Amino acid sequence: GQNIDQPTEMTATEGAIVQINCTYQTSGFNGLFWYQQHAGEAPTFLSYNVLDGLEEKGRFSSFLSRSKGYSYLLLKELQMKDSASYLCAVMDSNYQLIWGAGTKLIIKP
Amino acid sequence: NAGVTQTPKFRILKIGQSMTLQCTQDMNHNYMYWYRQDPGMGLKLIYYSVGAGITDKGEVPNGYNVSRSTTEDFPLRLELAAPSQTSVYFCASGLAESETQYFGPGTRLLVL
Repeated sequence: GQNIDQPTEMTATEGAIVQINCTYQTSGFNGLFWYQQHAGEAPTFLSYNVLDGLEEKGRFSSFLSRSKGYSYLLLKELQMKDSASYLCAVMDSNYQLIWGAGTKLIIKP
Repeated sequence: NAGVTQTPKFRILKIGQSMTLQCTQDMNHNYMYWYRQDPGMGLKLIYYSVGAGITDKGEVPNGYNVSRSTTEDFPLRLELAAPSQTSVYFCASGLAESETQYFGPGTRLLVL
């Protein structure tokens, strides 16, 4: 079966750095997406990785290792507004997104 | 440019009632999707469409129907509502199958 695993909840301090991990087992791979979802709102796109390595976009970076079935999202200089759920999703061989359950990130002052 | 819009925002249905969840996008995207999101679980694909007149089943299509008569609109129909259909429903659109999907604000549905 297809499976995406990510931690249910993480806590970090304002101004710090946090890494959210995602491991996956899917039938085929056509890219990995990270989305941010604030409570009661829609998911919004953060990053996309299809090749191995690190993609940096401002305070957010995303890393992919296809051989290990592993990705992480790195958030630097955490702000209170970063409190949200972070969703990992893999596009399978049919170009359908398989979603993890999300990691709820709590930022403390 | 409104992006993806959904109506209604919230609805309570009685068991056995029917309703249509509306979804419209103004980005001229060919691909449109319907997902449901339940607590503690990942988004599940209900139906998707690759263009006007073409629809296909996703992972959890039972109890739902869709149509795609125009590029802009992709309504989701619940014929006989059941408590198991209590969920948050998101519509999304994308330019192509491998492209980023953009989500509407969601419809919260409660079936009692």
